[in-house]
Amino acid sequence: GAGVSQSPSNKVTEKGKDVELRCDPISGHTALYWYRQSLGQGLEFLIYFQGNSAPDKSGLPSDRFSAERTGGSVSTLTIQRTQQEDSAVYLCASSRIEGSGYTFGSGTRLTVV
Amino acid sequence: GIQVEQSPPDLILQEGANSTLRCNFSDSVNNLQWFHQNPWGQLINLFYIPSGTKQNGRLSATTVATERYSLLYISSSQTTDSGVYFCAGGRGSTLGRLYFGRGTQLTVWP
Repeated sequence: GAGVSQSPSNKVTEKGKDVELRCDPISGHTALYWYRQSLGQGLEFLIYFQGNSAPDKSGLPSDRFSAERTGGSVSTLTIQRTQQEDSAVYLCASSRIEGSGYTFGSGTRLTVV
Repeated sequence: GIQVEQSPPDLILQEGANSTLRCNFSDSVNNLQWFHQNPWGQLINLFYIPSGTKQNGRLSATTVATERYSLLYISSSQTTDSGVYFCAGGRGSTLGRLYFGRGTQLTVWP
């Protein structure tokens, strides 16, 4: 597609439930990133995928968070047993190998009640 | 990690004014980008600028890699320039994790 697509745009879930967030990157972009942004804060790195290399998971805050990228394209971020502190906007971005920078999606606003 | 300091944290301008935003890095970065987050939350990439100077319309950016800082210039500001400006840098060439600053909140009044 023309841009990075994220779904759902909004998600309200009960504490303790699992959620899945989806990201469809720009076609041809080999790198995919997940960040999250809490209210009024900067962006916190979560995970980075590049081609067939092992992902950089160093930003995942706990073992309740996991992500996968299938076929080098679509990625799913899964949060198990959600907590209220998981409430944030989850942002996905993709980029090419050449120096063109990140393109961000519109994000998924997650609210844990 | 890399610490990123942005200044000023807040900036209020009247339409037509010029401004300069600054970003300092605690370590050398090879992958430096500027973003604008509009009031609806969408992040737009403004510049990929690991070194040198680039211009795009009323916006321009300069990175002095040896001194670990970058500047974003906004000329003849418009109300649509309002939002948060983030700089970010990483150690990778083009790819890889970026470390973000806390942003500069810009408000442009008509």
